[in-house]
Amino acid sequence: DTGVSQDPRHKITKRGQNVTFRCDPISEHNRLYWYRQTLGQGPEFLTYFQNEAQLEKSRLLSDRFSAERPKGSFSTLEIQRTEQGDSAMYLCASSSIRVYTEAFFGQGTRLTVV
Amino acid sequence: RKEVEQDPGPFNVPEGATVAFNCTYSNSASQSFFWYRQDCRKEPKLLMSVYSSGNEDGRFTAQLNRASQYISLLIRDSKLSDSATYLCVVQGSQGNLIFGKGTKLSVKP
Repeated sequence: DTGVSQDPRHKITKRGQNVTFRCDPISEHNRLYWYRQTLGQGPEFLTYFQNEAQLEKSRLLSDRFSAERPKGSFSTLEIQRTEQGDSAMYLCASSSIRVYTEAFFGQGTRLTVV
Repeated sequence: RKEVEQDPGPFNVPEGATVAFNCTYSNSASQSFFWYRQDCRKEPKLLMSVYSSGNEDGRFTAQLNRASQYISLLIRDSKLSDSATYLCVVQGSQGNLIFGKGTKLSVKP
């Protein structure tokens, strides 16, 4: 399977715990995006990498959220001191750097904070 | 003004109907434009890109008006299988992809 892979698919955690999600993009893709999606809403942009550089981070993203892409390949998204409001689907996508290029999404990690 | 705004849904239409979705964007420096489709509990997938001259793909027609910062999607002869959420997507000059909240379409027999 050469698509975008996310791990884990589901995560249940207690409030206050830290969680980390992993995304493996399509191997030749330079760009990697993280989104959060709640029921009935479109994907909300969190952050975006081009190779290992984090080029943009949403102003809505609190300092509890951090993302890395250390070697320009896989990426991790960490949420510290989780809150119930963090419960959502976290989606990762990757694309090449051409204009009008398609972004391919993984199946997401569903986070439930109890 | 939100970065990408779409018509609120849901749209409930009979099979065979023509339906149009609209979208506006706030950043005049945006470079690329897309419509994505998202089925229930699935990840978004590209439906079509939207080019300045307008483009068509079978029953689907997309239009872009850069002066008005407006994008549209027209679906002709709706099928039951077109039922989904349609997401308007704008790519900024830095490469980030911004999604609208989506418009839900239900096509009924």
